[in-house]
Amino acid sequence: GAGVSQTPSNKVTEKGKYVELRCDPISGHTALYWYRQSLGQGPEFLIYFQGTGAADDSGLPNDRFFAVRPEGSVSTLKIQRTERGDSAVYLCASSPPGGDRNEQFFGPGTRLTVL
Amino acid sequence: TQLLEQSPQFLSIQEGENLTVYCNSSSVFSSLQWYRQEPGEGPVLLVTVVTGGEVKKLKRLTFQFGDARKDSSLHITAAQTGDTGLYLCAGPSGTYKYIFGTGTRLKVLA
Repeated sequence: GAGVSQTPSNKVTEKGKYVELRCDPISGHTALYWYRQSLGQGPEFLIYFQGTGAADDSGLPNDRFFAVRPEGSVSTLKIQRTERGDSAVYLCASSPPGGDRNEQFFGPGTRLTVL
Repeated sequence: TQLLEQSPQFLSIQEGENLTVYCNSSSVFSSLQWYRQEPGEGPVLLVTVVTGGEVKKLKRLTFQFGDARKDSSLHITAAQTGDTGLYLCAGPSGTYKYIFGTGTRLKVLA
């Protein structure tokens, strides 16, 4: 597809379970962001990848959250021992190479519900 | 800690009316962006303003960056129902991180 895709679109899990959220960026985009958006709030930065490496993971709330991008394309956000407070929409965005990191293209998000 | 505060939080107006929404901070930003987000979708970039005092127009939307680069406004002329959505401002915080405001939820009634 032409845009950023995220799977699954919805995920319902129970407290304490492990979840993985996937992001497929636009082909050729080297920069990738993960954000979390709670109801009624703006997106909250979690982590930024440039290629395969996490250049800034200062937004990850605690060590239950981890993200990887092993081949510099698809990224997976992993959440261990989920808590009800983790319920939110998780957004992924990618940016093209060439310096203008201002231009972020967002996916539709994964809505995570922790029961 | 840099924060972006947006006002109003909610706005409901009739089609054809004009409106202005605001994005304010106590911190200086090198640039600010405006996004629109519709339900079930990710934000879509509308504009980036970079220079203090800059004004950019996108059809019926006018964006202004404050002279001191601490605030921005979005003015919509003759609002249409298609303008309904969540308007977010965002700015860089450090080398890679972006922070977003809490948004203004706009509803334009036919």
